Amino acid sequence: GEDVEQSLFLSVREGDSSVINCTYTDSSSTYLYWYKQEPGAGLQLLTYIFSNMDMKQDQRLTVLLNKKDKHLSLRIADTQTGDSAIYFCAESPYNTDKLIFGTGTRLQVFP
Amino acid sequence: KAGVTQTPRYLIKTRGQQVTLSCSPISGHRSVSWYQQTPGQGLQFLFEYFSETQRNKGNFPGRFSGRQFSNSRSEMNVSTLELGDSALYLCASSGRENTEQYFGPGTRLTVT
Repeated sequence: GEDVEQSLFLSVREGDSSVINCTYTDSSSTYLYWYKQEPGAGLQLLTYIFSNMDMKQDQRLTVLLNKKDKHLSLRIADTQTGDSAIYFCAESPYNTDKLIFGTGTRLQVFP
Repeated sequence: KAGVTQTPRYLIKTRGQQVTLSCSPISGHRSVSWYQQTPGQGLQFLFEYFSETQRNKGNFPGRFSGRQFSNSRSEMNVSTLELGDSALYLCASSGRENTEQYFGPGTRLTVT
């Protein structure tokens, strides 16, 4: 089945690290993505990881993939108020451009 | 390079009417996908087009249809609108590798 799960809320202090978690079910997924959505806006592609990788780092963002447990996480270092948004993980099943999205995690950063 | 553009940005329609939404992909991108976003159902895949052919379709009724033109621009149409069709409709385009999908700002449709 197709199901991607995320926790709904995360609140962190400015300057701390944020870790957003996601579990997915389709083991055939070739790519896994993280998108950011700010109020009233579309989705901004933050980063993605190929399914044969364990980790990918891109400036303040670190993606960890545990394929055995079908668990994906996004770590944001030195979280800023501008990082406050909803974060979606998504999987892309094999041989398709279709994205299956999680429910989204609302990240709130307080001073 | 210009991003994905969607028109119109906002739309108000009445139940029973039909609506057409437009999406222009990033220059050079040939794949266009459509998604519906609602508070209750989240982000759901509608359909995907590549080189004017529908490659994938989500679980939506036949009232939802789309097409893609030779210049890769895409339109989606919803006929006989229902209140539940009120949503943010997002379009995404991807290039040759189909690895990175870039989204437009969306069209917010309100059905009254």
